[in-house]
Order: sequence, then structure tokens, then C-alpha cells
Amino acid sequence: EIVLTQSPATLSLSPGERATLSCRASQSVSSYLAWYQQKPGQAPRLLIYDASNRATGIPARFSGSGSGTDFTLTISSLEPEDFAVYYCQQRSNWPPEVTFGPGTKVDIK
Amino acid sequence: QVQLVQSGAEVKKPGASVKVSCKASGYTFTSYGISWVRQAPGQGLEWMGWISAYNGNTNYAQKLQGRVTMTTDTSTSTAYMELRSLRSDDTAVYYCARDSGNIAAADTIDYWGQGTLVTVSS
Repeated sequence: EIVLTQSPATLSLSPGERATLSCRASQSVSSYLAWYQQKPGQAPRLLIYDASNRATGIPARFSGSGSGTDFTLTISSLEPEDFAVYYCQQRSNWPPEVTFGPGTKVDIK
Repeated sequence: QVQLVQSGAEVKKPGASVKVSCKASGYTFTSYGISWVRQAPGQGLEWMGWISAYNGNTNYAQKLQGRVTMTTDTSTSTAYMELRSLRSDDTAVYYCARDSGNIAAADTIDYWGQGTLVTVSS
């Protein structure tokens, strides 16, 4: 099973600051990496797919980069609604599986 | 607009089974798959498996093999997830989600249902 590690576990920032979240895979996942945002009591929301593609309706302040084993989600300037938990997720064709990282909580400093 | 509406909360005793439904609308059901993801209280996301609404192919998470079955009813655009031999650590919110993989394996998970809380308690 491919294991995803996210760092840091918690990121304390102020509105307007830049957020940089990291996701590392235990083996190469090519570009099959997605990022989700989850707020309390809500279902996750897709932000980025295939490492760097923004999902429909996602603001340009969210960007993704990386390939292979190291990936980054960047929020260029935090808005109040961006404080949430962020998960990375990989998919593989063999074995056919999906795994999620443990999450990074972005909270207000 | 794409919508996935799940069945209501369930309370089950250990050893019982639960079946959660997920009715899709706003897109061509058979052009996508459905992934199921669960989240225990205060914990992260755990992928349970995937089913193609096109050909019925399934892939299940190894830890749930033998206890989980995913099916679809294309006549009603509804997906189902049944989990058997329930234990207390199966207590979680269960989500269905649209998956762009519709032939052999899961792909990009984009739209999510509202979640169904399943509580396992004696």
C-alpha cells in the first residue's frame, strides 16, 4: 500500500499569509495526486486533481505542484474561508487502490 | 447540477449489517463510477472501495475485503454499499462520491454526498 505523509500536521497562519502544505508518497504516484478541503460537518471538496489542475470553481489562489513522490499545495493569500483541514489523496492502477494522507489543519493564528 | 443524496443515519448492533444508498442526479450515471469513503469521529478519510456504474467492476480496500459489497442500480441511478459483521470501530460517517473512473479502477473523486452516520453500539 502506498502511504502518504502530510506536513505539517497543523499550520497556524493569519489571513493574507501564504500557506504551503506538503504531501509525500512512499513510492512514486506519477501525477495521480489530488487535494481536498474539508470544513467541520461538511463533506470534502475537490481542489486540485492530477497534481496541478484546479477543479471547477476553485479560486486561482489555490495551486498544486509536484510529481513522483513530493507534492505541494499552495494557497497564495489566505481568505477567512480557507481555514480548514486539507487532505492529499493518491490513486494507483496496480494494485487498484486509493489512499488519503492524514491531513493538515490550517488554523487562524 | 450534480447531486448525490444518501440515506439517513443508522444505529446497528455489533455483528449486524448496514446498507447505505446514494442516489445520483445531474449527470449520466453510467459514465462514472462511485467511490465510498468513511470518516471515523475526529479522524481522517479512509477509502473503502469503488464501483463502475458502467460495467459493475469493483475494487475494495484490502482491509474490508470479504465484509463489504458495492452495487449499483442503473434504472434508478442509485449506488449501494453494504458492510457486514459490524464492529464498534466501523462507527463513522460514510460518504459516496462520484468518481471519473468508470472502467477498471478509481480515478478522480469530485462530487460528494452529504454523508451517512453509522453508529455501531450494543
